[in-house]
Order: sequence, then C-alpha cells, then structure tokens
Amino acid sequence: DAGVTQSPTHLIKTRGQHVTLRCSPISGHKSVSWYQQVLGQGPQFIFQYYEKEERGRGNFPDRFSARQFPNYSSELNVNALLLGDSALYLCASSPRTSGNSYEQYFGPGTRLTVT
Amino acid sequence: AQRVTQPEKLLSVFKGAPVELKCNYSYSGSPELFWYVQYSRQRLQLLLRHISRESIKGFTADLNKGETSFHLKKPFAQEEDSAMYYCALRNTGNQFYFGTGTSLTVIP
Repeated sequence: DAGVTQSPTHLIKTRGQHVTLRCSPISGHKSVSWYQQVLGQGPQFIFQYYEKEERGRGNFPDRFSARQFPNYSSELNVNALLLGDSALYLCASSPRTSGNSYEQYFGPGTRLTVT
Repeated sequence: AQRVTQPEKLLSVFKGAPVELKCNYSYSGSPELFWYVQYSRQRLQLLLRHISRESIKGFTADLNKGETSFHLKKPFAQEEDSAMYYCALRNTGNQFYFGTGTSLTVIP
C-alpha cells in the first residue's frame, strides 16, 4: 500500500477562484480528516469524515467544504480563494474515529499557493 | 476554547543528554493527547498517545491533568531524534488541535 495519497502535489490559483483537492486513504480505512498547515504553524483541523458522514468540523468559514465518496476517498473544496488560504493541505486516514488503537496516517500534502 | 501550547520553537541538545519537549493544553473536558513527529522529508506520523502509556523510540510522555501538561521526554537523545515535534489534543467533539511545533536538533 502506498499509504495515503493526495493530488495534486502543487497548485497555483488566483484570488477568487475555486480549488478541489483530493485524497485517497489507506485501503480499509474509513475515516478521512483534512488539515491546513500554514508555514511555521502546526496543522489546523478542518474536517473529519467517517463512512461518508461529517464527524468533526474545525473553525473554518463556509467557503471550505468536503465530501467522502463510497470508496472512502475524499475531496476538499475551497471557494472564493483568499491569499490567506495559501498553505499545505494535509489529509489523514484512519480505520475508525476513536478507540485505544486510534491512529491517523498522514499524506504528503498538497501545496496551494494563491496569488 | 481549546489550545495547545509548545513554548519552544527551537531546541538543541547534545547527543546523550536528556531532552524534554514541553506541551501545555487548555481544555475543560477530558482530552486525548498525542505527540506527532516529522522527520526531514517524511510525512507527519504518530509518535505516541497518552492513552496507551507506551514508550516509543525511548520517548515517554505523561499526562498531568493538574498542570495541564503532556511533556515529551527522553533520557538520552540520539542524532536520529532530530525532527519537528507536534503536540496535539483531540476533544470529545472529534476535533484536533495541534501546537505550533518544536524543532529538535541533536548535536553530535
């Protein structure tokens, strides 16, 4: 298994545009989480999905949305891009959402630059 | 509101010396605490979680609810420990909060 994969690797967009980021979890993992990591900061939680339902949401505006597909892959959508949306977007997958063995596996991230 | 604070952005220690990476949190409920590590050119990965009370790569972390701390410790630092370390909290609403990270350099 290649682990969590994300596409694209890099992306450059203009202010006001829309972007879609994609994530494929590890085979058998049913939960996907999205994070935004601005340079010099820790990851900030955006969403968690499990079995195609939203299970957690961070403090992000409604311009951010996500969904999970029947094959457990996920998309993160950001509308009306702002310069401040420039960041590394991380996806993480896990087999479940809780429990003593809970662990997230992170992807390599998508670097989004908004000009 | 939840918050995770890592007061040191940079930390340098000599090989063989003890190392402690500080983490303090604020949360009114019962949190789950984690330490994540990112080695150079690698992905972010889980190092350890408080609930499992395990030692990974010689690192331990004890949750101190009185001091709201979850400091990461290792008695003898190794060069391969050089990395970025993030403390994280998960609340009962399934939301994760990461600290800003501490970059650890172990000097040979």
